Amino acid sequence: EDQVTQSPEALRLQEGESSSLNCSYTVSGLRGLFWYRQDPGKGPEFLFTLYSAGEEKEKERLKATLTKKESFLHITAPKPEDSATYLCAVHRGNTGKLIFGQGTTLQVKP
Amino acid sequence: EAGVTQFPSHSVIEKGQTVTLRCDPISGHDNLYWYRRVMGKEIKFLLHFVKESKQDESGMPNNRFLAERTGGTYSTLKVQPAELEDSGVYFCASSPQVAGGETQYFGPGTRLLVL
Repeated sequence: EDQVTQSPEALRLQEGESSSLNCSYTVSGLRGLFWYRQDPGKGPEFLFTLYSAGEEKEKERLKATLTKKESFLHITAPKPEDSATYLCAVHRGNTGKLIFGQGTTLQVKP
Repeated sequence: EAGVTQFPSHSVIEKGQTVTLRCDPISGHDNLYWYRRVMGKEIKFLLHFVKESKQDESGMPNNRFLAERTGGTYSTLKVQPAELEDSGVYFCASSPQVAGGETQYFGPGTRLLVL
């Protein structure tokens, strides 16, 4: 059965304290792994798509990496405005649907 | 370019009533998806339209839910009659192509509370 598990569920960091969020997945025929950011009361906002093991993508303080079993979202020197819920989702080849993890809620304190 | 829009942003109804949610995808996007997040759970897929056709409705919880996409443009999701367990946030997303791995862009969601 397709499954996406994110850890930790919640993470509190001090401003400038780097860390990583984990997304473990089991899915047959992975066509893409997506990272989204969600702020309270809003919809998921697209961050990255990763397609194959070894791929890496960066955007400002965020860097996403992908292996055959998991993805990491590395946050370097975070700022309070990086506080949000980060969602991981996978896309299986023969369907259009995304399978989401439960998300990691990040709080960055000044 | 305008993003995915959803209406209403919030809806509070009583059990047994009917509610209709609307989604306007990004212009030119053939693919439209409905998802739902209930309290404490992950976002879950409901169904997928390609233009006006239902491609996959495997996530629809039961026959109280009816989705339509007239003319391949906007979509509506009707819940009739609503039950308490239907409460949650309903998201719509769209993507331009049918091919796998396409990025889906999400709307702000409709927060539904059934009392």
